[in-house]
Amino acid sequence: EAQVTQNPRYLITVTGKKLTVTCSQNMNHEYMSWYRQDPGLGLRQIYYSMNVEVTDKGDVPEGYKVSRKEKRNFPLILESPSPNQTSLYFCASSLYAGVRETQYFGPGTRLLVL
Amino acid sequence: KNQVEQSPQSLIILEGKNCTLQCNYTVSPFSNLRWYKQDTGRGPVSLTIMTFSENTKSNGRYTATLDADTKQSSLHITASQLSDSASYICVVAGKSTFGDGTTLTVKP
Repeated sequence: EAQVTQNPRYLITVTGKKLTVTCSQNMNHEYMSWYRQDPGLGLRQIYYSMNVEVTDKGDVPEGYKVSRKEKRNFPLILESPSPNQTSLYFCASSLYAGVRETQYFGPGTRLLVL
Repeated sequence: KNQVEQSPQSLIILEGKNCTLQCNYTVSPFSNLRWYKQDTGRGPVSLTIMTFSENTKSNGRYTATLDADTKQSSLHITASQLSDSASYICVVAGKSTFGDGTTLTVKP
């Protein structure tokens, strides 16, 4: 089944403890991105990747890192999480970044930083 | 400032009825407008994608319209079903800007 998977789905952590949220897609997509969703703010893009080894900042990149060593994986890294990073995170992918490309979202990761 | 405003914020309708959701935007430059459906606890799922030259796009019981002159879009849902209960998100690119969504509840 074509899909985007994220792990973990739920995570509770403490301030400053490094964590990684994994994202994997099995559709051979070039373009991948990370979003966070907060009430009243909608979805905001954190980072995106046009293809392997090419990543760039989105609208809210502060406090996050990403890497794209393989086409299928695009992990999101929080080196020193803070409570304001408590949010619902979505990974998404599309074949390319073109105007007609359908973007497929993962199921989401709900993160609570204490 | 790029903005996408959706209305109403929430809507309750009876099963079988039609409804229309609105999206106004000030995103520039404009590339495309997308409508997504997001079920509670799930990721958004694409419903329609429209470029500048398209003024209507259908996907089953969902019909999206676009007026690029007035920078408005609407999503019309026909003969609503209980499974239509979800949040509907309007996204406008150039630079992808997401609306806050309209929460639709369909009651039996």
